[in-house]
Amino acid sequence: AQSVTQLDSHVSVSEGTPVLLRCNYSSSYSPSLFWYVQHPNKGLQLLLKYTSAATLVKGINGFEAEFKKSETSFHLTKPSAHMSDAAEYFCVVSDTMNRDDKIIFGKGTRLHILP
Amino acid sequence: NAGVTQTPKFRILKIGQSMTLQCTQDMNHNYMYWYRQDPGMGLKLIYYSVGAGITDKGEVPNGYNVSRSTTEDFPLRLELAAPSQTSVYFCASSYSPAGGAYEQYFGPGTRLTVT
Repeated sequence: AQSVTQLDSHVSVSEGTPVLLRCNYSSSYSPSLFWYVQHPNKGLQLLLKYTSAATLVKGINGFEAEFKKSETSFHLTKPSAHMSDAAEYFCVVSDTMNRDDKIIFGKGTRLHILP
Repeated sequence: NAGVTQTPKFRILKIGQSMTLQCTQDMNHNYMYWYRQDPGMGLKLIYYSVGAGITDKGEVPNGYNVSRSTTEDFPLRLELAAPSQTSVYFCASSYSPAGGAYEQYFGPGTRLTVT
């Protein structure tokens, strides 16, 4: 069975410092992994996705994530935070081989940017 | 290309009333989804559809109904609204199963309050 755990419900960083949002997953087969961002009162927007190609995935707005199979992790990083990055971030896992084909959302991490 | 549109943006219902949340996509996606988002709980799948005329239950279908008569439209019906249905509802679509590494496109959401 699949599951996804976002290890922090809230993360606060100062503007200009690095961002790390942690995500661990469990999957029986070959997972697809996604990060979505949700700005206040908006829908979700795809940041990046991993689909069994390169393990380091680059996304929009300077974000990237690294798929580490040995650690079952897919942490999201950004070298330098910007005020506009303040939002909620969701890690999502989906099995590519499982016919049941469920999509599991993490509970979200709210990122606060301090001036 | 408007993407995924949802109406209304906000609605207040009295207990026992019914309503339909509208969702339309113009990307010719075959898969469509309805989620609800409760604070700190991530997104829960209510219903999904793999194509016109085909729908299936998600994780939390009780109290809801859907139909998919066209590729574009996927309305969600609430019968006999209850306070537990107070939530933000998101409609999403994808070109193929999201487990096949195609990302989901989300609408802006409908904020529903049942009192």
